Amino acid sequence: GAVVSQHPSRVICKSGTSVKIECRSLDFQATTMFWYRQFPKQSLMLMATSNEGSKATYEQGVEKDKFLINHASLTLSTLTVTSAHPEDSSFYICSAREDRGDEQFFGPGTRLTVL
Amino acid sequence: TQLLEQSPQFLSIQEGENLTVYCNSSSVFSSLQWYRQEPGEGPVLLVTVVTGGEVKKLKRLTFQFGDARKDSSLHITAAQPGDTGLYLCAGAETGGFKTIFGAGTRLFVKA
Repeated sequence: GAVVSQHPSRVICKSGTSVKIECRSLDFQATTMFWYRQFPKQSLMLMATSNEGSKATYEQGVEKDKFLINHASLTLSTLTVTSAHPEDSSFYICSAREDRGDEQFFGPGTRLTVL
Repeated sequence: TQLLEQSPQFLSIQEGENLTVYCNSSSVFSSLQWYRQEPGEGPVLLVTVVTGGEVKKLKRLTFQFGDARKDSSLHITAAQPGDTGLYLCAGAETGGFKTIFGAGTRLFVKA
């Protein structure tokens, strides 16, 4: 159990375009989902916390207008990188947490490359 | 804000050696998780420890939660090349909803 999927796994786009990444909890309901960014050989950097039916809470330094998060249902959260630039290239990982637990279950990640 | 210090940051050892990774904090956590991440993939949950002093074993991996629930350790016995990866500890804040991640330990086991 506790499987989280992420789509797409890899995306290459031109500078200035927007990219949407989906995160789904497949076998449980996730009131809270998290979005992380990871640079090569570094740990996870929390970008925002997404709560179903409400606005996401962004970490300091993360532009909410650039990284749009929508958590429309208990099994789906989306991250849209708007007007992507090469510096946005990174590995983006989502995680989901069940209502009554501390553990986060991670998706497989999305490798974004902006040309 | 709680901080979780993880050490060492990098470890390169020979197959068959033992190793221990530590996570320490000055604050108390309601639970602590250990994850392992391989390149290009998301972290995979290895274990959750909840009770102070708790010890859990997963094959050659032994996880311990400190008595005061402020620290934890991961001990690997007779490391194998397949153990290579990034190990992350994560502590759940008491009374809160946030999980604090350690900086990670990058382990490389040479055959």
